[in-house]
Amino acid sequence: EQLVESGGGVVQPGGSLRLSCAASGFTLRIYAMHWVRQAPGRGLEWVAVTSYDGSNSYYAESVKGRFTISRDNSQNTLYLQLTSLRLEDTAVYYCARSDTIFRPDYSLDVWGPGTAVTVSS
Amino acid sequence: DIQMTQSPSTLSASLGDSVTITCRASQSIGDWLAWYQQTPGEAPKLLIYMASTLARGVPSRLSGSGSGTDFSLTINSLQADDFATYYCQQYHSYPWTFGQGTKVEIK
Repeated sequence: EQLVESGGGVVQPGGSLRLSCAASGFTLRIYAMHWVRQAPGRGLEWVAVTSYDGSNSYYAESVKGRFTISRDNSQNTLYLQLTSLRLEDTAVYYCARSDTIFRPDYSLDVWGPGTAVTVSS
Repeated sequence: DIQMTQSPSTLSASLGDSVTITCRASQSIGDWLAWYQQTPGEAPKLLIYMASTLARGVPSRLSGSGSGTDFSLTINSLQADDFATYYCQQYHSYPWTFGQGTKVEIK
């Protein structure tokens, strides 16, 4: 069971980026999926979640209206669209799964290795 | 939002020691608490969920306890790969929130 993120890079303030998270070894469509980020030298910050079918999602206040989480279960892939990027969005972005969107049994039990996003002029 | 406060921020210990990290929630979260371990350059690893249940493959020298607002993680007989940063996280309600982390370092 594995998750692998991609799509990170260097982008200017105000720019956009789309992150991907590919799942293997398990069926993505039965899991809620999350993005969690970690700024350099800082702690973990939960960013967003989407339900197993993409019908329900929640966001951290810090990204609401700028980031959009989505999924393509037919491709076993999760996405995070980042727009209006700010310097403080610089972080490693991790995708992770939970068995349900509300009060899951296991919380975040499988994580990807992360992809780095740097917002810099 | 539910605030999670861990203490201490840094803990110095020796191989074989037992250590305890505490985590306090700003409001009751029942048992909806997880603990993670993170080493530099790596993704977090789930250790404990539902406050006290060990995740698959986690050794029994680790244990979690607590309910409501006060929780703790205890590591007995510290091994070399236990020196890492530990985070608590509530999943009672959105936005999910993490504690600020506790770094366990070698004395």
